Amino acid sequence: SQQGEEDPQALSIQEGENATMNCSYKTSINNLQWYRQNSGRGLVHLILIRSNEREKHSGRLRVTLDTSKKSSSLLITASRAADTASYFCATDKTGGGADGLTFGKGTHLIIQP
Amino acid sequence: GAVVSQHPSWVICKSGTSVKIECRSLDFQATTMFWYRQFPKQSLMLMATSNEGSKATYEQGVEKDKFLINHASLTLSTLTVTSAHPEDSSFYICSARIIVDRGGPSGNTIYFGEGSWLTVV
Repeated sequence: SQQGEEDPQALSIQEGENATMNCSYKTSINNLQWYRQNSGRGLVHLILIRSNEREKHSGRLRVTLDTSKKSSSLLITASRAADTASYFCATDKTGGGADGLTFGKGTHLIIQP
Repeated sequence: GAVVSQHPSWVICKSGTSVKIECRSLDFQATTMFWYRQFPKQSLMLMATSNEGSKATYEQGVEKDKFLINHASLTLSTLTVTSAHPEDSSFYICSARIIVDRGGPSGNTIYFGEGSWLTVV
């Protein structure tokens, strides 16, 4: 069942600006992951943050996790046209490999050159 | 390179026929694979968990007799859409979590195939 909710559902910004997307979830988790999906393509794993972590960085990406609020944010700094894609958060309840991921509805990000 | 390969990338079939989609893990063994479905402009919905050597576990609302899953080996899971109808037209994506790490990516990361577009006419 779908439990994650991203906001905004769509975001359009100018190249070079920062893009922030938020995700909320409902149940306890082992970890939360962010994925990117280009139109009509498969998913690209961006970053994983565990439930005992609060912030994680990877290149131009910064992810935060607030388990008390059951929310996470993805920040893309210095956006580029190539960042145009849909971004999904996905929660992993157990982390042991037995369960699939539960995806949020996604944020469609458009970077205008 | 891809660690999970999905085939075919796209397929068009006539209503009432069956279509098989393959999901292969490359260079690693996956006792568990997952199948998702994604309708246009929507998110991914987990359909079922494919377990090597045993029956798949289906999510609520997914018809197991319509979406047949076979996980005959540690590197291959197949999804067969039987008696396909136009409403089954969707993007189907599989994923696998690395169980045996042969010096490759992190074992805690799930890798997705490129997906398969199914159009039923």
